[in-house]
Amino acid sequence: DQQVKQNSPSLSVQEGRISILNCDYTNSMFDYFLWYKKYPAEGPTFLISISSIKDKNEDGRFTVFLNKSAKHLSLHIVPSQPGDSAVYFCAASPPGAGGTSYGKLTFGQGTILTVHP
Amino acid sequence: EPEVTQTPSHQVTQMGQEVILRCVPISNHLYFYWYRQILGQKVEFLVSFYNNEISEKSEIFDDQFSVERPDGSNFTLKIRSTKLEDSAMYFCATDGKKETQYFGPGTRLLVL
Repeated sequence: DQQVKQNSPSLSVQEGRISILNCDYTNSMFDYFLWYKKYPAEGPTFLISISSIKDKNEDGRFTVFLNKSAKHLSLHIVPSQPGDSAVYFCAASPPGAGGTSYGKLTFGQGTILTVHP
Repeated sequence: EPEVTQTPSHQVTQMGQEVILRCVPISNHLYFYWYRQILGQKVEFLVSFYNNEISEKSEIFDDQFSVERPDGSNFTLKIRSTKLEDSAMYFCATDGKKETQYFGPGTRLLVL
């Protein structure tokens, strides 16, 4: 199942600089896109999401951009901090039906972000 | 901040044994999910649950798996007869609206 792909297995940035994590998808029916941060042996922590009807959503240091024509989204972290070092997953959700939430998430493989002091 | 909790954190079992993984969702959330992550692989959807019934299930979620909400608070995943390939991290997730799905810390299941 390659509907959601994160092609960069790892990314290394300097503290204070911008981290840009990328994600591509193939299913044009996806309705919402979510980014998660995960530490080893812990559950994914929700960071930020974006609806398919928007092209940008911002929350503090985190901004997600969506380019529907390219089926591409990216997560920008500015400024990056050493505590941001973790695995970042993008995930996509199809639309629900009949007013219920079928939030079945399809995940990418993850990108390991390392922020150096 | 409300959070999803899961028990146990680790479970070791013999092949063929039944296991029950438990989750306490965030109160007032209505949608519940189980996912799993086999070591080195993607997080995979297993099943979604709403209004006391399964909304959707993946091909992984065969007859050996079942879910229920026995007492209105806990949400459980039962594997009737475990196989070696069931060894994975199992995550419970809940949401009140689908664009903010919150995950629990996971249960690491090891089948010997």
